[in-house]
Amino acid sequence: AQRVTQPEKLLSVFKGAPVELKCNYSYSGSPELFWYVQYSRQRLQLLLRHISRESIKGFTADLNKGETSFHLKKPFAQEEDSAMYYCALSGPSNTGFQKLVFGTGTRLLVSP
Amino acid sequence: DAMVIQNPRYQVTQFGKPVTLSCSQTLNHNVMYWYQQKSSQAPKLLFHYYDKDFNNEADTPDNFQSRRPNTSFCFLDIRSPGLGDAAMYLCATSRGTELGSYEQYFGPGTRLTVT
Repeated sequence: AQRVTQPEKLLSVFKGAPVELKCNYSYSGSPELFWYVQYSRQRLQLLLRHISRESIKGFTADLNKGETSFHLKKPFAQEEDSAMYYCALSGPSNTGFQKLVFGTGTRLLVSP
Repeated sequence: DAMVIQNPRYQVTQFGKPVTLSCSQTLNHNVMYWYQQKSSQAPKLLFHYYDKDFNNEADTPDNFQSRRPNTSFCFLDIRSPGLGDAAMYLCATSRGTELGSYEQYFGPGTRLTVT
């Protein structure tokens, strides 16, 4: 079964502190992993995907196939990072269609 | 700006009264998706269109239907809404080819209340 688990509903940190949003997945095969973000009163948008291996807004995420994890990290949190973060997976995208399976999300609150 | 638009943003309907939610896009994407997100839950894919081809998820209730009259528009019809259908409904689009699929762009969502 395909499943994404985000164990924390809420993560509260102070500005400048390191952040790690946890994501574990279950998938038989080689999934693609994503992090989506939803800022207050804005739409859901892609933050990063594992195949890009990019750092976006200071965030990075490494796919660990052994631990089936795709944790999102940032060394120094900023107040503007406060948002809802969703981890998601899909199967290989060679069909032209991408079925995203989302986790339940983690709300990140960064306090001054 | 190219975008995904959903109307209305808030919809109230009565138990059993058919309701239609709409989605339009100016991105000229060939794939359109509908997701249901209940309170504190993950968004869940209901169905998608790849061009004109409709693809239903196996566990999507028959109560939910969709229409895509052209590339730009897609509708979600709920034939007989129940209280359990109250949720946020998200529309998304992406470009899809035989080589793969690309980033999904989401609309702001329509929050459906069933009374």
